[in-house]
Amino acid sequence: DIQMTQSPSTLSASVGDRVTITCRASQSISSWLAWYQQKPGKAPKLLIYKASSLESGVPSRFSGSGSGTEFTLTISSLQPDDFATYYCQHYNNYLITFGQGTRLEIK
Amino acid sequence: EVQLVESGGGLVQPGGSLRLSCAASGFTFNNYWMHWVRQAPGKGLVWVSRINSDGSSTSNADSVKGRFTISRDNAKNTLYLQMNSLRAEDTAVYYCARDHGGKADYWGQGTLVTVSS
Repeated sequence: DIQMTQSPSTLSASVGDRVTITCRASQSISSWLAWYQQKPGKAPKLLIYKASSLESGVPSRFSGSGSGTEFTLTISSLQPDDFATYYCQHYNNYLITFGQGTRLEIK
Repeated sequence: EVQLVESGGGLVQPGGSLRLSCAASGFTFNNYWMHWVRQAPGKGLVWVSRINSDGSSTSNADSVKGRFTISRDNAKNTLYLQMNSLRAEDTAVYYCARDHGGKADYWGQGTLVTVSS
């Protein structure tokens, strides 16, 4: 099974900062990667799919990059609404696998 | 507007059974694969099960194989998760999610399952 590992587990940042979250796959997954944002008590929200495609309605300060085994989610200028937990997710024809999550907190 | 509404959660004793439902609206349900994903209190997201659009093919996480069964009724626009032999470690919020090319683009609000004596 493919394992997805995110780093860091927790990230402290300030409004206006540029932040990057990394997701590594245990083997190559091409570009089959998505990123989600989850706030406490809420369902996850899709941000990025196919590693770098922005989901409709998601602000352009969110971007994704990478292929193979290493991927990044970047938020170009943090807004107060962005403090949440972020998950990467690999998908193929049969199942999906999530990373363990990165909690983005206010410094 | 796409909507997914889960129901059927609650408190159940270890070894017991529960059936979750996910009512879909706002899209052509029988065109989409669907997933169940769970989240234990304070923990991350864990994929549980998926079913293809006509219900002929399913996959399950190893942790629930032989105990959980995913199914769907396309005439009723409803997804199900039959959970048997429940354990304390199955305690979680269970989400249904629509699969669109592998990504989960719409999620329900979740339903809480608590397994405890």
